Amino acid sequence: ILNVEQSPQSLHVQEGDSTNFTCSFPSSNFYALHWYRWETAKSPEALFVMTLNGDEKKKGRISATLNTKEGYSYLYIKGSQPEDSATYLCAFMRGTYKYIFGTGTRLKVLA
Amino acid sequence: NAGVTQTPKFQVLKTGQSMTLQCAQDMNHEYMSWYRQDPGMGLRLIHYSVGAGITDQGEVPNGYNVSRSTTEDFPLRLLSAAPSQTSVYFCASSVRGGPAYEQYFGPGTRLTVT
Repeated sequence: ILNVEQSPQSLHVQEGDSTNFTCSFPSSNFYALHWYRWETAKSPEALFVMTLNGDEKKKGRISATLNTKEGYSYLYIKGSQPEDSATYLCAFMRGTYKYIFGTGTRLKVLA
Repeated sequence: NAGVTQTPKFQVLKTGQSMTLQCAQDMNHEYMSWYRQDPGMGLRLIHYSVGAGITDQGEVPNGYNVSRSTTEDFPLRLLSAAPSQTSVYFCASSVRGGPAYEQYFGPGTRLTVT
C-alpha cells in the first residue's frame, strides 16, 4: 500500500502569520498531485492540480510547489486569515484513475 | 448547475440491511468516484467509473457494488450492511479521469450501521 503523508497533522497560527505544510508521496509512478481545501461541514474543494516536476501554482495568498523526484509538495499560505482555517488535503494520483489521499493538515488561524 | 448531489444526508441501518446511496452530477463529467472518510484516515477510494457502463474497483471495494447506466448517476449499493461500514461517504466527479482534472465533491452521506 502506498502512503501519502502530510505534516504537521494540525497547527495553530496567529492572523497575519505565514505558514507551510508538507505532503510526501512515493516518487515512482507519478501522475499528479492535487491539493484540496476542506472546511468544516463542507466538501473538499480543489486548490491546485500539479503534474510536472518543478510546478509552482498560486491562487491569491496560497501557493504550492512540487518535487516529484524526491516525492514532496509544499503548500504555503502568506499572511494567514481566519477564513483560511480548514483542513488541507493532498492526493497523489497512482495510475490514471486512482487517488491516494493524505490525512490532511488541520489549520486554525487565530484572530 | 447543482454540481454533485448526494442523497440521503444521514442514514441509520441495522446490520444486514441493504441500501443504495445516490450520487448525481449535472456537469456532464465522465469520471465519477466514491470515497469513504473514517477518523484518522484519508479519503479512501471505493469504486470509480470512467464513463457510462464502465466501473472498476478502488482501494476498499469489499461490501459495495456500483453501476453506471447514465453519465449523470453513480449509485453505491451496500448489499448487507456491517458496522465496519459506518462512515461518511463522498461522491466525486471530474471532467475526465486523467491526472490534470480536479475532482468536485458532493456534500457527503453520514451512514451509521448498528
